[in-house]
Amino acid sequence: EVQLLESGGGQVQPGGSQRLSCAASGFTFSSYAMSWVRQAPGKGLEWVSAISASGGDTYYADSVKGRFTVSRDNSKNTLYLQMNSLRVEDTAVYYCTKEGPQPPDYFDYWGQGTLVTVSS
Amino acid sequence: SYELTQPPSVSVSPGQTASITCSGDKLGDKYACWYQQKPGQSPVLVIYQNSKRPSGIPERFSGSNSGNTATLTVSGTQAMDEADYYCQVWDSSTDWVFGGGTKLTVL
Repeated sequence: EVQLLESGGGQVQPGGSQRLSCAASGFTFSSYAMSWVRQAPGKGLEWVSAISASGGDTYYADSVKGRFTVSRDNSKNTLYLQMNSLRVEDTAVYYCTKEGPQPPDYFDYWGQGTLVTVSS
Repeated sequence: SYELTQPPSVSVSPGQTASITCSGDKLGDKYACWYQQKPGQSPVLVIYQNSKRPSGIPERFSGSNSGNTATLTVSGTQAMDEADYYCQVWDSSTDWVFGGGTKLTVL
């Protein structure tokens, strides 16, 4: 059974940093691209960042480019999102997602999400 | 940048057919997928590559994509289908993009 378990959310002040983690299990992690998707309270879904299976290629939404960094440790089956220079508008539930077998592809599994609140 | 447009809400009576549209420039040239999200839960993939259903998704969910419009159809709608639905595509100019979401209400 595929499982994606996010952690690292919480409250942070504007301008601060936060690191999210996503522990994956139930599939060969190193074979699949992964993405982060966020959802602000009461709003729709917004793709944030993606990383290839090997970790050699990374992609970012314009809204986070230069502030967020996605990475992965295939030896630990873990995906990360380092968020710097956080803004109030970054407040959202952040979901870890697994891509389908032929990237760029749909997101076939989602984690339960972790809430990041940026507030003073 | 590429944009997808969905109606904010769609209403349907139990047992009837609901159609949710997703519009974008030359959308039919891309692969569209659909997610269902119930309150307080994570999204679930219900349609991928325009019309394919993942394992475990009921047959009453179907999809199509042509021209500028992708459509999610729920046949014989049940109360449990009440949820928000999001379309999504990948575009070379914006990477992954979601529609704004449609709230399906089963009256």
